[in-house]
Amino acid sequence: EVQLVESGGGLVQPGGSLRLSCAASGFTFSTYAMSWVRQAPGKGLEWVSVITGSATTTYYADSVKGRFTISRDNSKNTLYLQMNGLRAEDTAVYYCAKRPAYSGNWYVFDPWGQGTLVTVSS
Amino acid sequence: QSALTQPPSASGSPGQSVTISCTGTSSDVGVYNYVSWYQQHPGKAPKLIIYEVSKRPSGVPDRFSGSKSGNTASLTVSGLQAEDEADYYCSSYAGSNNLVFGGGTKLTVL
Repeated sequence: EVQLVESGGGLVQPGGSLRLSCAASGFTFSTYAMSWVRQAPGKGLEWVSVITGSATTTYYADSVKGRFTISRDNSKNTLYLQMNGLRAEDTAVYYCAKRPAYSGNWYVFDPWGQGTLVTVSS
Repeated sequence: QSALTQPPSASGSPGQSVTISCTGTSSDVGVYNYVSWYQQHPGKAPKLIIYEVSKRPSGVPDRFSGSKSGNTASLTVSGLQAEDEADYYCSSYAGSNNLVFGGGTKLTVL
């Protein structure tokens, strides 16, 4: 069974940094693109970033470009999101999500982790 | 990139059908057949129910179906059941390695 477990969320001051982790199990981690998607409280979903299985390619939403860095350690089956220069509008639940085996496209997400809450406030 | 447009709410009685629209532009929904739909129950993670406009992952009931016409994609839920009450989000590939979501639709089963 595929499992994705996020961690690392918490309260951080504006301008601060935080690193999220997503521990993966139940599949060959290095084979699949992985993404981060966030959801502000009471709001809709927003795609944040994606990284290919080999970690050679990354893409970012314009709203986080230059501030967030996605990475992965395939030896540890773990996905990361380094968030710097955090702003109040980055407050959200951050989900990691996997490209499913039945779709070759990174922009299909199945399954998702349970999410970790990041709150940016002074 | 602007978000896709969904109605904030939709409703139907048990057994009825309801359709949720997702309107984009000729730069996303209108040009790519990469529309997905996600179901999200309160406090839970989203769950994929439709991908590539009309394909259903294994295990998703065939009561859920997707379609697209021009710049608008649609999700139809037939034979509504109480457990279908949830928020539904569409997404579309928007080119240039970018993905956009809709604002979400809250489906109420009356």
